[in-house]
Amino acid sequence: AQTVTQSQPEMSVQEAETVTLSCTYDTSESDYYLFWYKQPPSRQMILVIRQEAYKQQNATENRFSVNFQKAAKSFSLKISDSQLGDAAMYFCAYRSASQKYGNKLVFGAGTILRVKS
Amino acid sequence: GAVVSQHPSWVICKSGTSVKIECRSLDFQATTMFWYRQFPKQSLMLMATSNEGSKATYEQGVEKDKFLINHASLTLSTLTVTSAHPEDSSFYICSASWGAREQYFGPGTRLTVT
Repeated sequence: AQTVTQSQPEMSVQEAETVTLSCTYDTSESDYYLFWYKQPPSRQMILVIRQEAYKQQNATENRFSVNFQKAAKSFSLKISDSQLGDAAMYFCAYRSASQKYGNKLVFGAGTILRVKS
Repeated sequence: GAVVSQHPSWVICKSGTSVKIECRSLDFQATTMFWYRQFPKQSLMLMATSNEGSKATYEQGVEKDKFLINHASLTLSTLTVTSAHPEDSSFYICSASWGAREQYFGPGTRLTVT
């Protein structure tokens, strides 16, 4: 079974600075997807960024970028120029590319990010 | 983008009664819908997966007689919490997807059982 581990329960960052959230996962598969979701106080889950395992290039979405290390099974999220609106709980998630798992997501425990002004 | 709604956003019910939560995909046909439960400051716990026209597949440890899931159409799935008790109080989130595409999440429903 696949597992996702987020070892940082809470992180803080000063506004305008950069923060990196860690995520490791365990799988025996070679084809899969990785995601970072943001859950602000409204509790609406928002997709931040997605990475296909077959792509070597790290995904980037504006101020958000990932460091995907497939051999190390590591998938960290870097937030640059942090803003107050980035304060949220962040979840790392894994999804197998195999249809036998039916698009299920495996979530990590989450990291609460606090942004200080 | 794909939009998923949930209704109600917050419901309070008395212990022993049943409550139904609706999940709708507004601008796409969802072949699969997922139901999650989330406690404060914790991760999402998958309760069940439902495919349109089929019986839901429940995760281990989830009581299927207590949490009834129906996916009667490609745009609507419902979760009914039967004989609710205070320990069922939680935040329930649905998501929807089609084909191999990613899941799109609803805004969640807060259930309080008194």
